[in-house]
Amino acid sequence: DIQMTQSPSSLPASLGDRVTITCRASQDIGNYLRWFQQKPGKSPRLMIYGATNLAAGVPSRFSGSRSGSDYSLTINSLESEDMAIYYCLQHNEYPWTFGGGTKLELK
Amino acid sequence: EVQLVETGGGLVQPGKSLKLTCATSGFTFSTAWMHWVRQSPEKRLEWIARIKDKSNNYATDYVESVKGRFTISRDDSKSSVYLQMNSLKEEDTATYYCTTAFAYWGQGTLVTVSS
Repeated sequence: DIQMTQSPSSLPASLGDRVTITCRASQDIGNYLRWFQQKPGKSPRLMIYGATNLAAGVPSRFSGSRSGSDYSLTINSLESEDMAIYYCLQHNEYPWTFGGGTKLELK
Repeated sequence: EVQLVETGGGLVQPGKSLKLTCATSGFTFSTAWMHWVRQSPEKRLEWIARIKDKSNNYATDYVESVKGRFTISRDDSKSSVYLQMNSLKEEDTATYYCTTAFAYWGQGTLVTVSS
């Protein structure tokens, strides 16, 4: 199975900060990478698909990038509504696998 | 409006069975590939099963940990997808979500396996 190593697991940040979360794939997954945001008591919300494409309705302060087997989610100018857990998902090969999650919280 | 509603969760003893239902509306269910994803109490997400549409012979795939115990199925006439879970183990305790394209998710249904 493809392992998705996500870091950091916890990320304290201040409002207005620029933050980056990274997932490293254990095998080639091309651009078959999605990012999700999950708030307490809610279902995951698709934020980024195809590694770099913003999903419908997602604010432009979110962006996705790729460098080799490293995939990153960047949030510019952090807002209070961005505090959540973020997960990556590879869907290049079954079984599809998620990263372990990053809890973004106020410093 | 796209809606997915999971039902059927609850408390069940180890070794027993449970069937989850995901009723959908607001999109063309018959051509959609449907997935089940679960989230452990520790918040770890795990993809567990997928079923393709009729044109792809309703092909299924499963994560190894549920193969032979769980069965995903669908009824296009009811726009519903199901997850039959047999021989349940304590480690199957989780909130179970159905999703299509991972863009639309249900609210989840909690399954607790405990004696």
